[in-house]
Amino acid sequence: GAGVSQSPSNKVTEKGKDVELRCDPISGHTALYWYRQRLGQGLEFLIYFQGNSAPDKSGLPSDRFSAERTGESVSTLTIQRTQQEDSAVYLCASSLDRAVTEAFFGQGTRLTVV
Amino acid sequence: AQSVTQPDIHITVSEGASLELRCNYSYGATPYLFWYVQSPGQGLQLLLKYFSGDTLVQGIKGFEAEFKRSQSSFNLRKPSVHWSDAAEYFCAVAGGKLTFGTGTQLKVEL
Repeated sequence: GAGVSQSPSNKVTEKGKDVELRCDPISGHTALYWYRQRLGQGLEFLIYFQGNSAPDKSGLPSDRFSAERTGESVSTLTIQRTQQEDSAVYLCASSLDRAVTEAFFGQGTRLTVV
Repeated sequence: AQSVTQPDIHITVSEGASLELRCNYSYGATPYLFWYVQSPGQGLQLLLKYFSGDTLVQGIKGFEAEFKRSQSSFNLRKPSVHWSDAAEYFCAVAGGKLTFGTGTQLKVEL
């Protein structure tokens, strides 16, 4: 596609439920990144993919968070048993290669846990 | 481990005044450095990037940044700020993953 697409754009969920956030990177981009941005805060690195593998998942906050990427394309970030502190905007970005040329960001998914 | 420090959380300047936003990085090799801007309700947009070569890089919207290896800095500058420049600015360093600073919120007084 023309840009990085994230869905849904907004998600309200009840505490304890599982959620899946989706990211469609720019076609041909091998590197994909997930970040979390809490209200008024900076970007917190979660995980990055090179192709379908995740060389660095050091930012995942707990074992409730997981991510996968299939076919060097779509990625899904899953949060199990959501907590109120998971409320944030989840941003996805992609870039052409591991050396990180320009990273293009999606508009994000705003997750609210009530 | 790579890291980025943006010492100024908030900066306020008058329209037409010059601007400098500070960024210091930590990275073991030659870094790839970026400045992004995030306007309210908008996604992140790349302002400029440094990979190698000329240490003064020009970006969009009249911004420039200078890479100083000796100071591990990559400060963002603009000679004359416009009201529309009010936004949050993020410095980032890349070495595999892309690591962001905590951002500087810029307010422009008319």
